[in-house]
Amino acid sequence: QVQLQESGPGLVKPSETLSLTCTVSGGSITSYYWSWIRQPAGKGLEWIGRIYTTGSTNYNPSLKSRVTMSVDTSKNQFSLNLRSVTAADTAVYYCARGFCGGDCRLDYWGQGTLVTVSS
Amino acid sequence: DIQMTQSPSSLSASVGDRVTIPCRASQSISSYLNWYQQKPGKAPKLLIYAASSLQSGVPSRFSGSGSGTEFTLTISSLQPEDFATYYCQQSYSTPRTFGQGTKVEIK
Repeated sequence: QVQLQESGPGLVKPSETLSLTCTVSGGSITSYYWSWIRQPAGKGLEWIGRIYTTGSTNYNPSLKSRVTMSVDTSKNQFSLNLRSVTAADTAVYYCARGFCGGDCRLDYWGQGTLVTVSS
Repeated sequence: DIQMTQSPSSLSASVGDRVTIPCRASQSISSYLNWYQQKPGKAPKLLIYAASSLQSGVPSRFSGSGSGTEFTLTISSLQPEDFATYYCQQSYSTPRTFGQGTKVEIK
């Protein structure tokens, strides 16, 4: 059974960089897309972007100037860096696996981690 | 970006009811449409992919239909564990976008 687990600081100061890692267990990280999605309290889901195991990325244009994603296949991990954060970046951050076979879907999700931006 | 619209944002229903949840895309997305269920404090769970394919392990009372710009998630007989928020998501192009969600509440 594939499992994903987010890890990283729960509190980040304004203007600093939010850094999260997602560790994949129970399956290989290769040949899938790996996505980050966030959800502010009481609101809907926002797709941040995705990375393929080759390192190819797609980012949401609304965040593209501040986002970097990376993947470490040797550790079965992928990561998110979001620079210059503000209070508007406070949210639960989820990592998810993207399975693409003709269509694409997010079939496995991490439990989510709350990141608060505050001084 | 493709806009996904879900209306209503909430609906009330009783156990045993047939429930339909609509989703509209701002442009044609063929059948590149997924549905997720989210319960409070939990991650979303994939229910339906490619508009009408049931994800493994999901009860058969859930079904999806539609293509182009109009889609529907149907719960044939609502169960107590189905009270949750349901999101549609397009996988036609990036950035992926989600609907605002429809919360199914107990009548």
